[in-house]
Amino acid sequence: NAGVMQNPRHLVRRRGQEARLRCSPMKGHSHVYWYRQLPEEGLKFMVYLQKENIIDESGMPKERFSAEFPKEGPSILRIQQVVRGDSAAYFCASSPLGFYNSPLHFGNGTRLTVT
Amino acid sequence: AQSVTQLDSQVPVFEEAPVELRCNYSSSVSVYLFWYVQYPNQGLQLLLKYLSGSTLVKGINGFEAEFNKSQTSFHLRKPSVHISDTAEYFCAVSLGGSNYKLTFGKGTLLTVNP
Repeated sequence: NAGVMQNPRHLVRRRGQEARLRCSPMKGHSHVYWYRQLPEEGLKFMVYLQKENIIDESGMPKERFSAEFPKEGPSILRIQQVVRGDSAAYFCASSPLGFYNSPLHFGNGTRLTVT
Repeated sequence: AQSVTQLDSQVPVFEEAPVELRCNYSSSVSVYLFWYVQYPNQGLQLLLKYLSGSTLVKGINGFEAEFNKSQTSFHLRKPSVHISDTAEYFCAVSLGGSNYKLTFGKGTLLTVNP
């Protein structure tokens, strides 16, 4: 039973380019969460999605960031016009039910470097 | 809003020694508490969680933690560590029963030396 799969593992972008991060949840999981880990910081919640719905995006920066979880395929976190401050590790997590019934299962993360 | 403080950013210990990683939280409502471990270049793995009931929680790999409501603490302990326990440990809190948003501490790097 594969875990949460994220790709790429490492992503390098120049300032102004777009970054697309992909996350395939564990089999049978329909809830996806994105977290960001800045250097020397703990993880911070960004967005919570179910299939075709954004449930809570209160942790997402207001501009340049968007997320989707289509009916088919992985969840995508998209960052437009990246800046150096976007350099971080981005983690995806999934769960099969409402959170309080099951803990989050995290992927290995995508480490984004903006040059 | 809740917050999590991990008092030690780094904890070096020798193999087979006991260890305690400290975590304090602040919240005006009941919370769920978690410890996650992150090995180098990997994702987070759940060690243990406190939702309700017994305040002493046992997790994987011989770790345990005790919830102390009066001191708002959830310290992680292991009586005898192995070199393979070297990793970053994160304490996290969520508002009990209603919130999927985990608030993480900044982490404690546990280094086990031979």
